[in-house]
Amino acid sequence: GQSLEQPSEVTAVEGAIVQINCTYQTSGFYGLSWYQQHDGGAPTFLSYNALDGLEETGRFSSFLSRSDSYGYLLLQELQMKDSASYFCAVSPYSGAGSYQLTFGKGTKLSVIP
Amino acid sequence: SQTIHQWPATLVQPVGSPLSLECTVEGTSNPNLYWYRQAAGRGLQLLFYSVGIGQISSEVPQNLSASRPQDRQFILSSKKLLLSDSGFYLCAWTGLAYNEQFFGPGTRLTVL
Repeated sequence: GQSLEQPSEVTAVEGAIVQINCTYQTSGFYGLSWYQQHDGGAPTFLSYNALDGLEETGRFSSFLSRSDSYGYLLLQELQMKDSASYFCAVSPYSGAGSYQLTFGKGTKLSVIP
Repeated sequence: SQTIHQWPATLVQPVGSPLSLECTVEGTSNPNLYWYRQAAGRGLQLLFYSVGIGQISSEVPQNLSASRPQDRQFILSSKKLLLSDSGFYLCAWTGLAYNEQFFGPGTRLTVL
């Protein structure tokens, strides 16, 4: 099976940088994804790392190290609207091309003025 | 462009009553479809996925079932709801870009 661990809560100041870590245990996977979910809303895709290294998309960056079973999401120039829950997820190898996702339990980010 | 619809948005049902939640996708063909449940303040639990019409795989044995009668329609059902079935139910799809799942707006189900 797969398991992912991430901090349950993080608080950061507006304009600052915050890093949300994700460690995982899985026998094999295609890649590590990150999703954002505002209270009451649906998750939305942020980033995907198929290979080791850093992927940058605007203020958000994501990192993967397969050898360390570790990844992180980096949010820069924090804004109040970034207050949300952030989930890491792995796409484990599976049959029938189903490309399922196994999610972590999420990190609730609170951005304060 | 592709869109995904779910209805109803909210639902309050008594214990023991049946359930039918519908999800439809527009603007794509032969998508992989998924049903997730999210308990309050928790992560997403994959319930079912489907790679084609009539093809359903269950991840967690439970009180629920799923069906895919048409290519872009995915239905979640129950014959008798339990209190533990309360939660936020999300439908999602992937297309050719398998690394990204697109989620519908969700159905918030309360079983009393």
